[in-house]
Amino acid sequence: DVKVTQSSRYLVKRTGEKVFLECVQDMDHENMFWYRQDPGLGLRLIYFSYDVKMKEKGDIPEGYSVSREKKERFSLILESASTNQTSMYLCASSAPERPHEQYFGPGTRLTVT
Amino acid sequence: GNSVTQMEGPVTLSEEAFLTINCTYTATGYPSLFWYVQYPGEGLQLLLKATKADDKGSNKGFEATYRKETTSFHLEKGSVQVSDSAVYFCALSYGGATNKLIFGTGTLLAVQP
Repeated sequence: DVKVTQSSRYLVKRTGEKVFLECVQDMDHENMFWYRQDPGLGLRLIYFSYDVKMKEKGDIPEGYSVSREKKERFSLILESASTNQTSMYLCASSAPERPHEQYFGPGTRLTVT
Repeated sequence: GNSVTQMEGPVTLSEEAFLTINCTYTATGYPSLFWYVQYPGEGLQLLLKATKADDKGSNKGFEATYRKETTSFHLEKGSVQVSDSAVYFCALSYGGATNKLIFGTGTLLAVQP
């Protein structure tokens, strides 16, 4: 079974803090994604990566950056957390031969106070 | 631009009732269409897909047919169970090699015994 794990299920941070969200997948997938999930807005793509050290902006990259130093790990960074970044963050991965069949982690619920 | 519109929830049904969750899309080209399901406390998982017009995707008793003429991909199940209670997301792929999905806002299904 494909497994995508995220470092925390719940996280509480203060405004202005630097926040790291980690995601690890064990299926050797090239593609990895970060989404945020908000009520009434569904999932919105923040960043994605199709190879180590490669990254592309999604639909809402402002206020976020990412890092992919190893194939299995994709990190989302909030350089200076703000209250409007309070959300559920979902990581996903997929194989290049089936790029749209994404496997998701359980999510990190981040609260910024 | 490309978009997905889902019926708003929550949808509340009794066990063994018939389920329909409506999904319509707007897209250039010929996207693939997907239904993902998110069970409580878990990440999303792919439920079914269809890659071209008139294809029918099916899994776990759920079905959806890719209707190009009505730009729809409605999810149906003949007899729902309590264990089907979850949030259902319709999605479309776009951009070919860019591996990206656009998700609808999600529809919460609650099945009562």
